[in-house]
Amino acid sequence: EVQLVESGGGLVQPGRSLKLSCAASGFTFSNYYMAWVRQAPKKGLEWVATISTSGSRTYYPDSVKGRFTISRDNAKSSLYLQMNSLKSEDTATYYCARRDYGSHYFDYWGQGVMVTVSS
Amino acid sequence: DIQMTQSPSFLSASVGDRVTINCKASQNINKYLDWYQQKHGEAPKLLIYNTNNLQTGIPSRFSGSGSGTDYTLTISSLQPEDVATYFCLQHSSRWTFGGGTKLELK
Repeated sequence: EVQLVESGGGLVQPGRSLKLSCAASGFTFSNYYMAWVRQAPKKGLEWVATISTSGSRTYYPDSVKGRFTISRDNAKSSLYLQMNSLKSEDTATYYCARRDYGSHYFDYWGQGVMVTVSS
Repeated sequence: DIQMTQSPSFLSASVGDRVTINCKASQNINKYLDWYQQKHGEAPKLLIYNTNNLQTGIPSRFSGSGSGTDYTLTISSLQPEDVATYFCLQHSSRWTFGGGTKLELK
């Protein structure tokens, strides 16, 4: 069974940093692109970052480019999101998601972790 | 960037009703359109991928159609457990979600 479990969320002040983790199990992690998607309170979903199988290629929307860094450790079946210079608008539940092997949709998601940016 | 406009934002229907939810892309997305169901407090769940492919384990009352810029999710006979928010996602060029449709029972 595919499982994705996020951790590392919490309350952080504006301008500070936070690192999220996602532990994957139930599949060969190194074979899949992975991503982070967020959902602000009572809002829709927003794609945040995607990383290739080896980690050599990363993709970000303009809203987080230069502030967020996605990375992975295939030996540990783990995905990470380093978030720097956090803003109040980064407050959201962050989901780890697996990108389908053959196509580009997200087929499995974690339960999410809440990040609150506030002074 | 591709924008996705989803409608309606809110939908109230009765058990047994046929329900349709629409997504319109700002440009041709070549059927790279997926549908997700999100129940309160839960992670999104994939229902339909690439316009009309039913994800494993999803009931056959869910179906998808469309092409070009216009796509539709249909629930043929609404069940109480279908109460949720539904999102579309384009993955033709990076990823953009629709704004969501909150579906409630009348």
